[in-house]
Amino acid sequence: SQTIHQWPATLVQPVGSPLSLECTVEGTSNPNLYWYRQAAGRGLQLLFYSVGIGQISSEVPQNLSASRPQDRQFILSSKKLLLSDSGFYLCAWSDDRSYGYTFGSGTRLTVV
Amino acid sequence: QQPVQSPQAVILREGEDAVINCSSSKALYSVHWYRQKHGEAPVFLMILLKGGEQKGHDKISASFNEKKQQSSLYLTASQLSYSGTYFCGTEKGAQKLVFGQGTRLTINP
Repeated sequence: SQTIHQWPATLVQPVGSPLSLECTVEGTSNPNLYWYRQAAGRGLQLLFYSVGIGQISSEVPQNLSASRPQDRQFILSSKKLLLSDSGFYLCAWSDDRSYGYTFGSGTRLTVV
Repeated sequence: QQPVQSPQAVILREGEDAVINCSSSKALYSVHWYRQKHGEAPVFLMILLKGGEQKGHDKISASFNEKKQQSSLYLTASQLSYSGTYFCGTEKGAQKLVFGQGTRLTINP
């Protein structure tokens, strides 16, 4: 069966520090991978989308970047965090247009 | 374009019914529905594909009217476990989901 792993679960980082969040999927090949961000009490904002290794689509211009070095690995990064980067970051995958997304357990990032 | 959900919040007593609506200004290929418990990740409930179908499992069902670009989620005889925030998601081309702002559902005993 397919599983998605996302870590860390919580993170407190100072302004200006770098960020690296990792997401891996098991049990499937060539999944579509996504990064979403959710501000407190708000909806889900699509940040990045990938259909294959090295293929990244950015949805919102911002202080973040994403990479997909392996088929089932998706990384969210920042060189210098801003206060506005705080939020709940969710990785998700899908492999068929007729099925829904499966989300990872999320990383709660607080920038101080 | 972000789909619009209504209402923004609903408070029910256990056993009552609820309807959550989702509408889009653009033509839809599909509509997804998810439920998110506080502090947790969203969980997929169901997907409705183009064709005006209605789906459901247990006491949660949904309809999709592609002509009106609308979908509705129906929760009947609500249980305490139904509490959470419900999101609809619509495709922004090539399997990229854009989510509505969410509907917070509270079920009281």
